[in-house]
Amino acid sequence: KQEVTQIPAALSVPEGENLVLNCSFTDSAIYNLQWFRQDPGKGLTSLLLIQSSQREQTSGRLNASLDKSSGRSTLYIAASQPGDSATYLCAVYGQNFVFGPGTRLSVLP
Amino acid sequence: GAVVSQHPSRVICKSGTSVKIECRSLDFQATTMFWYRQFPKQSLMLMATSNEGSKATYEQGVEKDKFLINHASLTLSTLTVTSAHPEDSSFYICSAEGGPLQIREYFGPGTRLTVL
Repeated sequence: KQEVTQIPAALSVPEGENLVLNCSFTDSAIYNLQWFRQDPGKGLTSLLLIQSSQREQTSGRLNASLDKSSGRSTLYIAASQPGDSATYLCAVYGQNFVFGPGTRLSVLP
Repeated sequence: GAVVSQHPSRVICKSGTSVKIECRSLDFQATTMFWYRQFPKQSLMLMATSNEGSKATYEQGVEKDKFLINHASLTLSTLTVTSAHPEDSSFYICSAEGGPLQIREYFGPGTRLTVL
C-alpha cells in the first residue's frame, strides 16, 4: 500500500527566503508525481507534474525534483512571497491517487 | 480521521450512456465538495466546486450540461456524466471540505471511467 509523507508539516519563513518542501513515498511504481497548492474554499491548484521518467520540472519560481528509486521528491520555492502562503500537497499517481498530508507554509511580510 | 468514499471505483460503459459517480463524506459534514479529473499524463484538474443546496460552480472549459453535479446533502455529492463518449474516459476524484480541520480538504479514492 502506497504511503506518502511530507516534511515539514508546517513552515513559517520571512519573505524572500528560498525554501524546500519534502515528499516521500513508499512504492516507486508510480506514473507521476504532482505538487499542488491548496487554498481553503478554492480546491487544488496543480503546480507541477513530473512523469515517472523525468527528474525535475520547473515553473517560474518553483522547481520540483523526483528521485523515484529513493521515493523522494522536493519542491523548491525561490524568493518566497506572502502570496505563497498556502498548504502544499504532493500526490503520487499509481493505481490511484495517494496524497501526502501537506505542508502548511506561511510567508511573513 | 475524515474519510471520503467514492462509488463506483471503476466503471466501463458504452458510448452514449450516462454514468453517475457518488462521493460521500463518511464521518463529517462537507460544506463544500470538489470534483477533479485527470487525463493520462496530465495534471489533476478541478472541474467544479459544489456547495450544499446551491448550484455548482464550473471551471472554464467544463460543460455544465454534460457533467451534472448535485450536492443535495452535507454528506453526498454526485457527478453524472451524461451521454458519455470515449474522450470522457478519465480518472475522476472528489474531495470534501469541512472535516475535523475546517481548512482541510479530504480526497476520495477516485473513479476510473472507461467509455467504449
